Amino acid sequence: EPEVTQTPSHQVTQMGQEVILRCVPISNHLYFYWYRQILGQKVEFLVSFYNNEISEKSEIFDDQFSVERPDGSNFTLKIRSTKLEDSAMYFCASSRGENTEAFFGQGTRLTVV
Amino acid sequence: KQEVTQIPAALSVPEGENLVLNCSFTDSAIYNLQWFRQDPGKGLTSLLLIQSSQREQTSGRLNASLDKSSGRSTLYIAASQPGDSATYLCAVSNAGGTSYGKLTFGQGTILTVHP
Repeated sequence: EPEVTQTPSHQVTQMGQEVILRCVPISNHLYFYWYRQILGQKVEFLVSFYNNEISEKSEIFDDQFSVERPDGSNFTLKIRSTKLEDSAMYFCASSRGENTEAFFGQGTRLTVV
Repeated sequence: KQEVTQIPAALSVPEGENLVLNCSFTDSAIYNLQWFRQDPGKGLTSLLLIQSSQREQTSGRLNASLDKSSGRSTLYIAASQPGDSATYLCAVSNAGGTSYGKLTFGQGTILTVHP
């Protein structure tokens, strides 16, 4: 069964460093998303991406964050100059259509020290 | 702004019981509602998707209902098993504007089924 895959599963980085979280969405899906979940809190929307551009972003998704689809399969989230409060589980998701079933990856646990 | 609330926050039941998890949302203008399961430290597994025009969806021992006008959904789990122990999340996709499939999540119900 097709699935969304994320790498790495866990990343530890020093405050101020840049990190890139990688995702391979399901191959025939057209809409891509990043969400995050701070420990003990709700899953929060960060950004949606369609047709090679950002379609919506939350207030969390400031200039520190960027997304890219560098080729036909990968979808990346870059966090520049990480802060302690960026520590969270980051989930990638994809869907075939705009409001169809969303499928999530297993997440990348980011720890900023 | 859409707000999603799930009740109860935690539920502990003996194996074999039927149980109901509740989800409410403040803005009834939704495209769909999706129920997920999350195991500790893991990703989200989609369980059921209900379109706004539907009243319920069933998958195996799971049945989800939707009352869009009152802003409520329930997830019914029949004959619960220890393997059902997980956090269950409800999420809605808002209609209108430029939502592009953005999901708004509840805080989840932590379910423990003991043998």
